Amino acid sequence: DAGITQSPRHKVTETGTPVTLRCHQTENHRYMYWYRQDPGHGLRLIHYSYGVKDTDKGEVSDGYSVSRSKTEDFLLTLESATSSQTSVYFCAIGTSGDNEQFFGPGTRLTVL
Amino acid sequence: QQQVKQSPQSLIVQKGGISIINCAYENTAFDYFPWYQQFPGKGPALLIAIRPDVSEKKEGRFTISFNKSAKQFSLHIMDSQPGDSATYFCAASMRSNDYKLSFGAGTTVTVRA
Repeated sequence: DAGITQSPRHKVTETGTPVTLRCHQTENHRYMYWYRQDPGHGLRLIHYSYGVKDTDKGEVSDGYSVSRSKTEDFLLTLESATSSQTSVYFCAIGTSGDNEQFFGPGTRLTVL
Repeated sequence: QQQVKQSPQSLIVQKGGISIINCAYENTAFDYFPWYQQFPGKGPALLIAIRPDVSEKKEGRFTISFNKSAKQFSLHIMDSQPGDSATYFCAASMRSNDYKLSFGAGTTVTVRA
């Protein structure tokens, strides 16, 4: 998985609780992305980062926040989880000057 | 709105047959068109990609055909094998938009032995 790890790999939580997912890379890539995967929708971009402390919204950013304090780590936070955020979350990394993106193994999140 | 539309949703092919998946896009500013392969419980893996200045790209049994005027591209899997059974996603991105990928909804391919 191109030097990308995600933690936790599985999580079950209750509605209204905060949740943080972590993406860690060892490739020193500039770009990092968070996507969610739901049946019938493919993968949809939540937020992304184009450098340390530089982040921007994707198409489904409501209810999510992100932070990137160092190159290798990109955190996705659900401030107050809802059942609609039950999904599989994937982190991806990419370099500037090249469109290729490489994906991590994913985190399966269930919000009860 | 979905910027990349993919069809069919699923297909079944016999071993040795050809699988064909089609995608259409709207934004002519896209400059990169990858295909990802995903097995159950795994992350998507980059399979093959093409840029709009090329009409075809082949890597082993996998070929992308690209039609810029029709804003369509397709994946052909030749001599399909049971190990090719997976979900395939087409996508598109552009350098000017931080390489953000817009994905199709996916096609589940089943290869019967």
